[in-house]
Amino acid sequence: GQQLNQSPQSMFIQEGEDVSMNCTSSSIFNTWLWYKQEPGEGPVLLIALYKAGELTSNGRLTAQFGITRKDSFLNISASIPSDVGIYFCAGQLSGGTSYGKLTFGQGTILTVHP
Amino acid sequence: NAGVTQTPKFRILKIGQSMTLQCTQDMNHNYMYWYRQDPGMGLKLIYYSVGAGITDKGEVPNGYNVSRSTTEDFPLRLELAAPSQTSVYFCASSYSIYEQYFGPGTRLTVT
Repeated sequence: GQQLNQSPQSMFIQEGEDVSMNCTSSSIFNTWLWYKQEPGEGPVLLIALYKAGELTSNGRLTAQFGITRKDSFLNISASIPSDVGIYFCAGQLSGGTSYGKLTFGQGTILTVHP
Repeated sequence: NAGVTQTPKFRILKIGQSMTLQCTQDMNHNYMYWYRQDPGMGLKLIYYSVGAGITDKGEVPNGYNVSRSTTEDFPLRLELAAPSQTSVYFCASSYSIYEQYFGPGTRLTVT
């Protein structure tokens, strides 16, 4: 199936640092979504992006839908310990057979040291 | 609103046994989904439904079956459980096709 390449796989940072992660694909996506998953829980939607070039913020989180529609970026500013978790990108591929289905990246594991 | 609820939270099955994972949502969402998540991996779509009575296969449907008789419920059936089905299973629902809301998951071990 289609793959999203999410990087980095893991990050170990100090509290207060900024964080950047991204997802890339060789395919074109109509929609990009960013989710956070905490241990023992299901993923929680953070940000949804619907148009190429769109830049959207949710508190300290900012995400962008790449102009080529093949990538997306998530930035977290001034990280805090509760930012710890796994961050997933997800997208809906362009094309009728992909309607209603999301493709997920492998996740970025974020660890924040106080 | 409870959102998306899943039962059970944990289950151990012996090889060849069958079971049904339950999923219920109270948000009146038309779209519902079943995913599996293996360690260190993203989520892979097993089956999805765009409304009561309508289901379709996802990326990894083999070994599973679903039904959708009501808007609220979307059970996932495992027949003849195999060790390869050891995973965490997530149910999700959405109003639009994009913004999916996930349940807390069912951790299944097949031995």
